[in-house]
Amino acid sequence: DAGITQSPRHKVTETGTPVTLRCHQTENHRYMYWYRQDPGHGLRLIHYSYGVKDTDKGEVSDGYSVSRSKTEDFLLTLESATSSQTSVYFCAISEVGTATNEKLFFGSGTQLSVL
Amino acid sequence: GESVGLHLPTLSVQEGDNSIINCAYSNSASDYFIWYKQESGKGPQFIIDIRSNMDKRQGQRVTVLLNKTVKHLSLQIAATQPGDSAVYFCAENIGNTGKLIFGQGTTLQVKP
Repeated sequence: DAGITQSPRHKVTETGTPVTLRCHQTENHRYMYWYRQDPGHGLRLIHYSYGVKDTDKGEVSDGYSVSRSKTEDFLLTLESATSSQTSVYFCAISEVGTATNEKLFFGSGTQLSVL
Repeated sequence: GESVGLHLPTLSVQEGDNSIINCAYSNSASDYFIWYKQESGKGPQFIIDIRSNMDKRQGQRVTVLLNKTVKHLSLQIAATQPGDSAVYFCAENIGNTGKLIFGQGTTLQVKP
């Protein structure tokens, strides 16, 4: 898994509660990404980061925020979870030396259920 | 809008046969393509990539073919094994936007 650890692996929460997912990498990659995966859709980009404190929105960013206070950690926060955010969330990194959005390596995912 | 699609949602092959998984893309500005394999309960695993200045690239038991004329990408797996059973995604990088667009995936089932 290219040194990527996602936590928690599974989470069940209630509508309206805040949720934070964590992605930790051990290989000092500059680029980190959060994707969600849903039936009937390909992986869709939520947010990405191109350095410490440097983040930008992806195509499905509404309802999500991110933070990256150090190179190895990229946090995804659902401020007030909704049932539409039930999904599998994947963190990904780009290889050192490659441009953004090329040759992504993914973590094992977090299954989030919002009841 | 841009889309990456797969011709068949499920492909069933006999162990030992060759598998061909197809992918169509719609954006002529796409300059980089990736194939991923995803096993149940796991994250996508990088298989092979190809740039638009190439039409073929080979890896270990896998070959990716790119036909830019018809915007078609295929993944060939030689001597398919039970461990190849998974969902396979293609993805395209649209060069002028920096966006990576993923297809929905084809399920490959390998029969013993």
